[in-house]
Amino acid sequence: GQQLNQSPQSMFIQEGEDVSMNCTSSSIFNTWLWYKQDPGEGPVLLIALYKAGELTSNGRLTAQFGITRKDSFLNISASIPSDVGIYFCAGLLYSGSARQLTFGSGTQLTVLP
Amino acid sequence: DGGITQSPKYLFRKEGQNVTLSCEQNLNHDAMYWYRQDPGQGLRLIYYSQIVNDFQKGDIAEGYSVSREKKESFPLTVTSAQKNPTAFYLCASRPLGTDEQYFGPGTRLTVT
Repeated sequence: GQQLNQSPQSMFIQEGEDVSMNCTSSSIFNTWLWYKQDPGEGPVLLIALYKAGELTSNGRLTAQFGITRKDSFLNISASIPSDVGIYFCAGLLYSGSARQLTFGSGTQLTVLP
Repeated sequence: DGGITQSPKYLFRKEGQNVTLSCEQNLNHDAMYWYRQDPGQGLRLIYYSQIVNDFQKGDIAEGYSVSREKKESFPLTVTSAQKNPTAFYLCASRPLGTDEQYFGPGTRLTVT
């Protein structure tokens, strides 16, 4: 099956700094989704991307669907303590009627005061 | 309030026992999914259902079973055949016509 490489695995940043993380794949995806997960909770959908080259923002978060359709990026500007958590990318490749997401292994973000 | 509920939040079982995890949604979503999450890893698909009375195996279905008798409910049974059942289990649902999956709060299952 498809595999997603998400990097970095973890990040330690100072409050107020900008953050960037990405996912890459050897396969082409039709959709990219970005989620945030707090400890012991379910992931929350942050941004959905449907077109190659698409750039979408949600508050301080901006995500891009790579032109090659094999990668996606998430940027967080002016980080705050509540940004702490694990960020997951997920890609979708249509296969017949199935719409199965493939998840990256996550980026653990720590924001230092 | 509309949403996805999973119960219980924490579940403890002895090895060799079957256990059923509940997932209910009142979002009128057609598709529902079960994922397993292990520490430091991404989510892996166990089973999914796109319509009532129909479901498909995901990547790690062995040792699990599901049913979809109602649109709003998709219970997962972890059987004694599952070799390593201790994990965080997440249920998700998706409305027709989109790719966006929405997750419940999860159930942490511990088998000793």
